Amino acid sequence: GAVVSQHPSRVICKSGTSVKIECRSLDFQATTMFWYRQFPKQSLMLMATSNEGSKATYEQGVEKDKFLINHASLTLSTLTVTSAHPEDSSFYICSAPRVLNTEAFFGQGTRLTVV
Amino acid sequence: GQQLNQSPQSMFIQEGEDVSMNCTSSSIFNTWLWYKQEPGEGPVLLIALYKAGELTSNGRLTAQFGITRKDSFLNISASIPSDVGIYFCAGQNNDMRFGAGTRLTVKP
Repeated sequence: GAVVSQHPSRVICKSGTSVKIECRSLDFQATTMFWYRQFPKQSLMLMATSNEGSKATYEQGVEKDKFLINHASLTLSTLTVTSAHPEDSSFYICSAPRVLNTEAFFGQGTRLTVV
Repeated sequence: GQQLNQSPQSMFIQEGEDVSMNCTSSSIFNTWLWYKQEPGEGPVLLIALYKAGELTSNGRLTAQFGITRKDSFLNISASIPSDVGIYFCAGQNNDMRFGAGTRLTVKP
């Protein structure tokens, strides 16, 4: 069964609103989680590394004030897309390794559509 | 950043045929992984490789971690229709980077 759960699986929001996406590790504690973005027919692009108890590390070109990451507990990381615009519409996926630097398991993904 | 070159981009094969895809990188990775993704879902781990030269099988899938730590291949033997999907290689050090994917179509 799934070891990483992501919610919601789909969300439609209006331009200018904010959307929160949750990523939970179900049967293990994850000090690190990763957030990816995927455009249609393209690969997964790493957006940021979420670190429990400290600030997230963002990839070059990813606006940290736009994509707020909070990793408040060892089983939950959240990604908030603030003031969403249509160009933010995408598939967002989180992942977490059971043990750091080992294979990561992915959530089911969140399809965000901004209208 | 670290770049992974995955090929081929797509494959159209007949059921029963074998499939081979590979990834190369200019950077060394400590771990190579292969994932399969189906539409609207997150990637699912197929095989993880931790040692240079390691050859690992998972059913009809076989993958190898290149001796230089800069490449890996995935083979699928005797393909079946449910093998359809996008296969991604991933190289991991502190974080994980993905190849562009290989889109596999299997004709019955």
